[in-house]
Amino acid sequence: EDKVVQSPLSLVVHEGDTVTLNCSYEVTNFRSLLWYKQEKKAPTFLFMLTSSGIEKKSGRLSSILDKKELSSILNITATQTGDSAIYLCAVEGKDSGYALNFGKGTSLLVTP
Amino acid sequence: EAQVTQNPRYLITVTGKKLTVTCSQNMNHEYMSWYRQDPGLGLRQIYYSMNVEVTDKGDVPEGYKVSRKEKRNFPLILESPSPNQTSLYFCASSFLGGSTDTQYFGPGTRLTVL
Repeated sequence: EDKVVQSPLSLVVHEGDTVTLNCSYEVTNFRSLLWYKQEKKAPTFLFMLTSSGIEKKSGRLSSILDKKELSSILNITATQTGDSAIYLCAVEGKDSGYALNFGKGTSLLVTP
Repeated sequence: EAQVTQNPRYLITVTGKKLTVTCSQNMNHEYMSWYRQDPGLGLRQIYYSMNVEVTDKGDVPEGYKVSRKEKRNFPLILESPSPNQTSLYFCASSFLGGSTDTQYFGPGTRLTVL
């Protein structure tokens, strides 16, 4: 059974800190790993990582896929209060069609 | 504006009264999906559809039905809702291609079954 585990479950930091969120997975025939940010509404897409693209960066956010360790990290530097959200990791396996398996998420709170 | 819409946004109902949550996308996406989100359990897929008249079960399909008669619409049907279906529901859509495209999520429907 495919499995996605995120850690930590919850995190509180001060503005300006750097945070690293983790996602580990077990999936048959890995196709892609996606990161989403969820505030008080629907998840919004951040990054997609595949075997051919293992590092992505956008502003203060970056993500790396470690195919050997079957994991990914999401880094946020110089955090701001607007980064407070739940960060979701999802993994797709080739054998599951286009179904996504989501982790339970990491809740990040950035305090002023 | 490219978007996924869901209706209603909030719904309170009683056990056993059939209901439908609509989902519509205007991006000509082939793939559409329904998820439910519950505290401590994350997002779980209920059903998905890879094209018109093609639907398949996700992780938690029991108690739900879907249909895909048109490309843009993917309604979620609860024939006889029960309190354990109280949840936050999201519809999502994306293109199908050589690799997974971004899934666009609707705004969510908060359902309470009394």
